[in-house]
Amino acid sequence: RKEVEQDPGPFNVPEGATVAFNCTYSNSASQSFFWYRQDCRKEPKLLMSVYSSGNEDGRFTAQLNRASQYISLLIRDSKLSDSATYLCVVRGAGSYQLTFGKGTKLSVIP
Amino acid sequence: NAGVTQTPKFQVLKTGQSMTLQCAQDMNHNSMYWYRQDPGMGLRLIYYSASEGTTDKGEVPNGYNVSRLNKREFSLRLESAAPSQTSVYFCASEDNLAKNIQYFGAGTRLSVL
Repeated sequence: RKEVEQDPGPFNVPEGATVAFNCTYSNSASQSFFWYRQDCRKEPKLLMSVYSSGNEDGRFTAQLNRASQYISLLIRDSKLSDSATYLCVVRGAGSYQLTFGKGTKLSVIP
Repeated sequence: NAGVTQTPKFQVLKTGQSMTLQCAQDMNHNSMYWYRQDPGMGLRLIYYSASEGTTDKGEVPNGYNVSRLNKREFSLRLESAAPSQTSVYFCASEDNLAKNIQYFGAGTRLSVL
């Protein structure tokens, strides 16, 4: 089983739609969780960290379920500029290594 | 505000050739990392340097060497390039584990023929 699994997509959604991405991780010792965004042929950039209580940043909401080892990202009112690949990332306590999922590709269509 | 700078941006090598990928950061970060990204795969850690003077292997270190030249610079060397090393290479830096944010360079696209 891969350490971090994501639905690769692509997700093709119209502008204004709400879209949700899911991610599962296999290492129960994972301590930190993130969503990174990667535009085509660009470097990954941190979108948001994911906290146990869930957190929101504008149109983006992230949730963590430690018992099910499951992370989600919800994007409301999708914009054309949200088109990118979204990477689910986990990290063990005190570990320097980030473990990346393969990414979920989102295309927002006019 | 350069952040993490990688050179070169593109490179084509023949099998058996050697080269060094350069990475420099201007954020006074302690930790630096080298990843590779292949189609259909997540980013995989090759080597990292937790602090100046230290280096450690990541998930896929075979065929690579690294040097943490100083706090700013972390280079990745391919001694004898192989087609399997065709990939996009990203360097990243991080202030410390507590901050928990890695900043990536723009990447080096390497093809080994």
